[in-house]
This record gives sequence, C-alpha cells and structure tokens, in this order.
Amino acid sequence: QKEVEQNSGPLSVPEGAIASLNCTYSDRGSQSFFWYRQYSGKSPELIMSIYSNGDKEDGRFTAQLNKASQYVSLLIRDSQPSDSATYLCAVSSGGSYIPTFGRGTSLIVHP
Amino acid sequence: EADIYQTPRYLVIGTGKKITLECSQTMGHDKMYWYQQDPGMELHLIHYSYGVNSTEKGDLSSESTVSRIRTEHFPLTLESARPSHTSQYLCASSVFQGSSTDTQYFGPGTRLTVL
Repeated sequence: QKEVEQNSGPLSVPEGAIASLNCTYSDRGSQSFFWYRQYSGKSPELIMSIYSNGDKEDGRFTAQLNKASQYVSLLIRDSQPSDSATYLCAVSSGGSYIPTFGRGTSLIVHP
Repeated sequence: EADIYQTPRYLVIGTGKKITLECSQTMGHDKMYWYQQDPGMELHLIHYSYGVNSTEKGDLSSESTVSRIRTEHFPLTLESARPSHTSQYLCASSVFQGSSTDTQYFGPGTRLTVL
C-alpha cells in the first residue's frame, strides 16, 4: 500500500513569512511529485510538479525533492493571506501513473 | 488552463434514486478519473479510465459505475443513492507529458447530498 503522509496542521504563519510544508512517501519507486492547493469547498489546483532531486522554483513557490530520504517539501515565500488553503501532496510511480494523494496540510496566513 | 466541466454542481436527492454525475473535458486527454472527498479528508480514487472503452476501479470500494464511450465524456452513475454517498465528487483528467508522469486537472466538483 503506497502511502503519502502530511501533517494535517493547521500551520499558522504571519503574513510575509516563509511557510514550509512537508510530505513523506513510502514507495521508493516514486518518480513524480505534485503539490496542489485546495481552497475550502473548491477543487484542487496544481501549483508545482517536480521529478528530479533538488529544488524547483516558480515565483514565490519552491518545491524540494530528496528521493533518498523520501520526502518532498513546498516553500512559500512572502506568504499572503490569500495563500491560506489546504496543500495536497501527490506522488506517483511508473506503471499506472495514478497519483496517491496525502490528506493535505492546512495553512493559515494571518495578517 | 484546463477545461473540465462537471454537472450538476450541487444535487440533493432522496434515498433510492438513480443519479448520473456528468464530467466532460475539451482537452483531448486520454486519462480521466473520479475522486470522492469528504470535508477535510483526503481524495479517494473511485474510478479511472485510460481511454475509450477502458474503465478501472480505484482504491475506494464504490457502488457506482462509470462508462467511457467518448474521449471527452466520463459519467459516474449511482444506481440507488444512499445517505452514505453524501460527499463531494471530483472529476479529473490528465495527459502524459513525455518522460514525466501525468499532470491532473480537476473539474469544479459536484456536491451530492442524499437524504
């Protein structure tokens, strides 16, 4: 059974701070990693995908992948109240390429 | 931007009714998926399809069925709705992008309440 673990939170950070969201996974054969943002009552929307070890930056977002330690993280710089949402980590491996989702981490950015 | 649509957005029905949740995408994606999500909980995969005439059951035991007669259309049917089916149903589609795996795009969801 493939597992993707996230701290459910909530993670509370002040506006302008860096929010750090973490995700661990159990399948060593995992190849693709995704971060989705989900506002309350809405559907998930893709923020970033990462496939290789290291960092990938896109605006205020940076995804970090460490396959040896089986974790992937998402950093949000200059956090804004509009970033308040649940962040879902998804992981998939070869074969079916069906991603497994974590339960998500609730982020609250307070003014 | 992904173009994936779900109807209805909200549905309240009585126990025992047959319902069909519609999902359509205009991107020509081969793969489509149905997820069930309760508030504050994780996504559970209930059905997926690799293409026309292909359907598979997901991780979550479900009393629903799906069909894939056209690439763009992936409806979900509940033959006899029960209160335990009350949930949000999310449809997604994806396209294989070279050496990387599929990126999923989600529809807006259908919130189903069974009385």
